[in-house]
Amino acid sequence: VLTQSPATLSLSPGEGATLSCRASQNIITYLGWYQQKPGQAPRLLIYDASNRATGVPARFSGSGSGTDFTLTITSLEPEDFAVYYCQQRSDWPLLTFGGGTRVEI
Amino acid sequence: QVQLQETGPGLVKPSETLSLTCTVSGGSSSGYYWSWLRQSPGKGLEWIGYIYYTGRIMYNPSLKSRVSITIDTPKNQLSLKLTSVTAADTAVYFCARHLATATPWYFDLWGRGSRVTVSS
Repeated sequence: VLTQSPATLSLSPGEGATLSCRASQNIITYLGWYQQKPGQAPRLLIYDASNRATGVPARFSGSGSGTDFTLTITSLEPEDFAVYYCQQRSDWPLLTFGGGTRVEI
Repeated sequence: QVQLQETGPGLVKPSETLSLTCTVSGGSSSGYYWSWLRQSPGKGLEWIGYIYYTGRIMYNPSLKSRVSITIDTPKNQLSLKLTSVTAADTAVYFCARHLATATPWYFDLWGRGSRVTVSS
């Protein structure tokens, strides 16, 4: 099980954001982060805990291992306000997602 | 630029079979894992199952008894069938491509999604 916190983060453009994802068991670094905007599919931001996907801006970074993971967004841009999900492969082939964190203005 | 497009009925009656097709355009389905996922307000994002271009398949154990995923590599299409649907299967259904790395369990390309409602 993946637990994301907080459920909602209220911030202003230019501020930094720290999102948390906690796994119920050791998943090493098998964790990804996605961004989803209303009416759109999720977009892969980070894979294997800290690797940025192709085309993802450097203001997005991921860290962590084991059970505790963090997505950090430095200096929020207007387009960064969205819902963020973490995803694990703890018991491959079973892939599961966290409940999401909404980053709102 | 590779794109994915899900197509299928937007309304399915309870107890019937949900059928969706995902067409890969601008690229090939060969060499990748492909998944179906769904998203509903009540259950969030849920992975349904994957298929490798060679035909290897894995399903979410919670749906395994009702799901079938196939791939037609020459046509660059994958399909999803979900039998005996109920209102709980109402969701937006996505097809997605897996990242082509040594850890291929992330999804780097998604379709826009197909909204399916189960109702009589």
